Amino acid sequence: KAGVTQTPRYLIKTRGQQVTLSCSPISGHRSVSWYQQTPGQGLQFLFEYFSETQRNKGNFPGRFSGRQFSNSRSEMNVSTLELGDSALYLCASSLSRAGGLGGEQYFGPGTRLTVT
Amino acid sequence: QKEVEQDPGPLSVPEGAIVSLNCTYSNSAFQYFMWYRQYSRKGPELLMYTYSSGNKEDGRFTAQVDKSSKYISLFIRDSQPSDSATYLCAMRDNSGGYQKVTFGTGTKLQVIP
Repeated sequence: KAGVTQTPRYLIKTRGQQVTLSCSPISGHRSVSWYQQTPGQGLQFLFEYFSETQRNKGNFPGRFSGRQFSNSRSEMNVSTLELGDSALYLCASSLSRAGGLGGEQYFGPGTRLTVT
Repeated sequence: QKEVEQDPGPLSVPEGAIVSLNCTYSNSAFQYFMWYRQYSRKGPELLMYTYSSGNKEDGRFTAQVDKSSKYISLFIRDSQPSDSATYLCAMRDNSGGYQKVTFGTGTKLQVIP
């Protein structure tokens, strides 16, 4: 069974630009969660989508948004990029709601975003 | 105070040693507990998942949960150089709509041949 895939793997953007990251979950998984990982803060939860609906959101500004399609694929968008947005963005999929019963999360390799 | 505390290490041990990795937490509503291993430049990989107090064993790995003390541990027996990675604990509560997964900051482990 194919794992979680994320595209692109690496991205360099300039301050003020916007970016869209893509995540394809494991086949059959309905939940997709997004995380930001930085050396100082560790893994920070961005949001979770389940059956095309955002179920939970972390403490990030409105510049961070996402969506999930009917095939469970998900995209994350960051507008008006800031230097501090440089991070590894990880997507995780699970069969049911993330972390709960049946909700073991499987991570993709991440997209490394550098903002200059 | 962070909801989940994890010693960042680095922790350096000789090959064959027993490794103990620990996390403490403050939210008594946490019900589900996970351990992930993350190699450099890779995404985290799920190692263990449990939702009850006590021990759970999988090969060389044992996860231990003590809900009364709000303390979880991961033990690695007969550690190998290939175990060198960052280990992240994670947990989720089941209270109302606040059902996100919270991660520790990770402990970097180095197993020396």
